[in-house]
Amino acid sequence: ETGVTQTPRHLVMGMTNKKSLKCEQHLGHNAMYWYKQSAKKPLELMFVYSLEERVENNSVPSRFSPECPNSSHLFLHLHTLQPEDSALYLCASSQGLAGNLWDEQYFGPGTRLTVT
Amino acid sequence: DAKTTQPTSMDCAEGRAANLPCNHSTISGNEYVYWYRQIHSQGPQYIIHGLKNNETNEMASLIITEDRKSSTLILPHATLRDTAVYYCIVRVRWRDDKIIFGKGTRLHILP
Repeated sequence: ETGVTQTPRHLVMGMTNKKSLKCEQHLGHNAMYWYKQSAKKPLELMFVYSLEERVENNSVPSRFSPECPNSSHLFLHLHTLQPEDSALYLCASSQGLAGNLWDEQYFGPGTRLTVT
Repeated sequence: DAKTTQPTSMDCAEGRAANLPCNHSTISGNEYVYWYRQIHSQGPQYIIHGLKNNETNEMASLIITEDRKSSTLILPHATLRDTAVYYCIVRVRWRDDKIIFGKGTRLHILP
């Protein structure tokens, strides 16, 4: 149904682990986003990439490290996370034309992360 | 900081029209109204957007008042699959203006 896929869909990791979340968009978009959604909280923007360049880092702790090797792929590398980082991590993409970075975002299904 | 006000929750009977209100009394002339929804445990889904004219697509209709201080999203024949949280967002289009999600309206479609 969606042109944005995320893997894995569920992840359980310990606080000392290192893991990565992957997002892939098949829509030919130029902009990609990471959001965090904690229980009963609004969506929080984490990072924005436009044409593989990071254009926004929304005061995210350094234990979250994004990577955008090309306009179709976005990763979120995780290390030494805390239990409060448990949340649904959502990836989105948009066409990202000049001056219209945020228009009509298409979201993936998310990765449900649990930090133990 | 969301610029919109929406009811926390609403109920609608299946098959009836669901009318979801949104207040955006401080909207400026170049801000568009966007609607997204999020079905439980899924990513948000774009629904529709508009500036001042009413808009309709295959999913919904958007009615914006003449003074643009409020709008209504209409799902013409609600089904159980429309149960979701609906977000009303205002932003300037054609500029790098963020999409900021507020708390939205939790819509329950009743069988």
